[in-house]
Amino acid sequence: DGGITQSPKYLFRKEGQNVTLSCEQNLNHDAMYWYRQDPGQGLRLIYYSQIVNDFQKGDIAEGYSVSREKKESFPLTVTSAQKNPTAFYLCASKAGGANEKLFFGSGTQLSVL
Amino acid sequence: AQTVTQSQPEMSVQEAETVTLSCTYDTSENNYYLFWYKQPPSRQMILVIRQEAYKQQNATENRFSVNFQKAAKSFSLKISDSQLGDTAMYFCAFIFPNSGNTPLVFGKGTRLSVIA
Repeated sequence: DGGITQSPKYLFRKEGQNVTLSCEQNLNHDAMYWYRQDPGQGLRLIYYSQIVNDFQKGDIAEGYSVSREKKESFPLTVTSAQKNPTAFYLCASKAGGANEKLFFGSGTQLSVL
Repeated sequence: AQTVTQSQPEMSVQEAETVTLSCTYDTSENNYYLFWYKQPPSRQMILVIRQEAYKQQNATENRFSVNFQKAAKSFSLKISDSQLGDTAMYFCAFIFPNSGNTPLVFGKGTRLSVIA
């Protein structure tokens, strides 16, 4: 079955540590997105990629980095520069066309030890 | 910048009753798409319904329908015959039609509780 997979489901970060959240899709979608969800804040865009080897910053990119070396994969690294990383992270992908729906992964809950 | 506003952080409704969630947006464009997404306690995001701005007819999906008022820039979601499984966060979202794969803009969400 086609879908989008995020791992791990839960992740803990020590202070000063970089951690990487995985996002893989087998839907053959060109576009992929990372959103951060905090209580009462809705979904805020971190980074997005419309095509392999290209990506753009979203509204809250500081302290995060991404890569898009393969169409199927769009990992997100939360760096030590991100001082408040505790949040729920959602990855999504979409086929071409503005009216196409977003396909979401099941999310990763990141917490600080 | 385009913005989406959901003015009701929390709402509740009795089972089998009808509830309406509000959403307003700000844009100077004439053509765009609007969406409602649902996030149940499992946290899996699910598309509920979508509306194309150039279509005058309001979209409907089973018990879910929208009231799209283009001039007022309003896009409310009506849930009829509410069920316990409708308990979730609901997010309104917006995108331009010619924007290709640029991101959706989401509101902050409304937490809906359906009470037995």
